Amino acid sequence: QTVVTQEPSLTVSPGGTVTLTCASSTGAVTSGYYPNWFQQKPGQTPRSLIYRTSNKHSWTPARFSGSLLGGKAALTLSGVQPEDEAEYYCLLYYDGLWFFGGGTKLTVL
Amino acid sequence: QVQLVQSGAELKEPGASVKVSCKTSNYNFINYGVTWVRQAPGQGLEWVGWANPKNGDRNYAQSLQGRVTVTADTSTSTAYMELWSLRSDDTAVYYCVRDIDWVVDHWGQGTLVTVSS
Repeated sequence: QTVVTQEPSLTVSPGGTVTLTCASSTGAVTSGYYPNWFQQKPGQTPRSLIYRTSNKHSWTPARFSGSLLGGKAALTLSGVQPEDEAEYYCLLYYDGLWFFGGGTKLTVL
Repeated sequence: QVQLVQSGAELKEPGASVKVSCKTSNYNFINYGVTWVRQAPGQGLEWVGWANPKNGDRNYAQSLQGRVTVTADTSTSTAYMELWSLRSDDTAVYYCVRDIDWVVDHWGQGTLVTVSS
């Protein structure tokens, strides 16, 4: 069973930059894992942010960017806003199935 | 705008089955897959399964294999997720999500399924 690992929690100051990562137990994450990233605020439905590693949806704020970093998928927030405080999930595709990471709780403080 | 509207909350007893619907609109249903995701109370997201309305292909999470079926009715642009032999740990919000070519974008509002005697 593939396990996808994210940082449980991160804290960032308003206006700062933070990078969230997403690792796979199967090995280095590549573009062939088609990483997707989602944001979920308490009591709300998840919202899609990034698809296929680095592509943004039309509604994704410019301060969000996706990449591959050191064998992991990464989501970077630059110029963090208070409203970015949320849970963030990555989703990886492997061997015909999808696997979610456990989520990263991002605190803006 | 693209819409995925799910059926209402369900309360089921252990051992029963549940069928959740996801009515889609404002896009060509046949050209997109429908993924199902669930979230237990206070927990993270879990991928449940996926269906391709065009050719009927389906895939399921290994943890649910044999207890879940996802289907798509092209005549009504509606997707369904049926889960049987329900257990208390199946209590969760179930979401349908549109996807194509590994791009996951629009989400339904979610359906709370509660399993309790």
